[in-house]
Amino acid sequence: QVQLQESGPGLVKPSETLSLTCLVSDFSITSGFHWGWIRQPPGKGLEWIGSIYHSGITYYNPSLKRRVTISVDTSKNQISLNLSSVTAADTAVYYCARQRYSSGCIDYWGQGPLVTVSS
Amino acid sequence: DTQMSQSPTSLSASVGDRVTITCRATQDITHYLAWYQQRPGRVPKLLIYGASTLQSGVPSRFSGSGSGTYFTLTISSLQPEDVATYYCQKYNSVPGSFGQGTRLEIK
Repeated sequence: QVQLQESGPGLVKPSETLSLTCLVSDFSITSGFHWGWIRQPPGKGLEWIGSIYHSGITYYNPSLKRRVTISVDTSKNQISLNLSSVTAADTAVYYCARQRYSSGCIDYWGQGPLVTVSS
Repeated sequence: DTQMSQSPTSLSASVGDRVTITCRATQDITHYLAWYQQRPGRVPKLLIYGASTLQSGVPSRFSGSGSGTYFTLTISSLQPEDVATYYCQKYNSVPGSFGQGTRLEIK
């Protein structure tokens, strides 16, 4: 059973960078699959942010591409998300996920912490 | 980018009813379509992938069909535990856009 656990600050100030880490357990990131991030503003729908393969190849949503960086650390079996210049519109639950394809088909999800952007 | 739209936005049905949710893409995505169930306060769960393949462990009352630009998710006999919001997602190319969701309630 693949387990994904996100960690990071629950509160970020406007204009700063949101940083989250996702530790993957009971499955090696280098065994395949893509590893991604999806977010969900409170009471709203899902938005695909981007994904990464263990080789380091990244895929980003064009709507966020200017501000997003996803990275992988295979030695720690984890991926990370950085979202720069945040505003209140970036307040959301941020899910880490295992994807069967570079752009989706998500079979495992993390629990998803709420990250609030506020001064 | 290809946009995904679902209908209806919400629906209410009785236990035992047959329920169908529609998802449309603005461009051909062949069969690269997934359906997810998100129960209130819970993490989304994969139900269907490849437009019509049931994910392991998902009850057989769920089924998916379609290809190209038109897809459906059907629940053959609605159960109380099916109360949730359902999302479709395309994954043929970046970005992996989701539909806006369909909220399903029990009458």
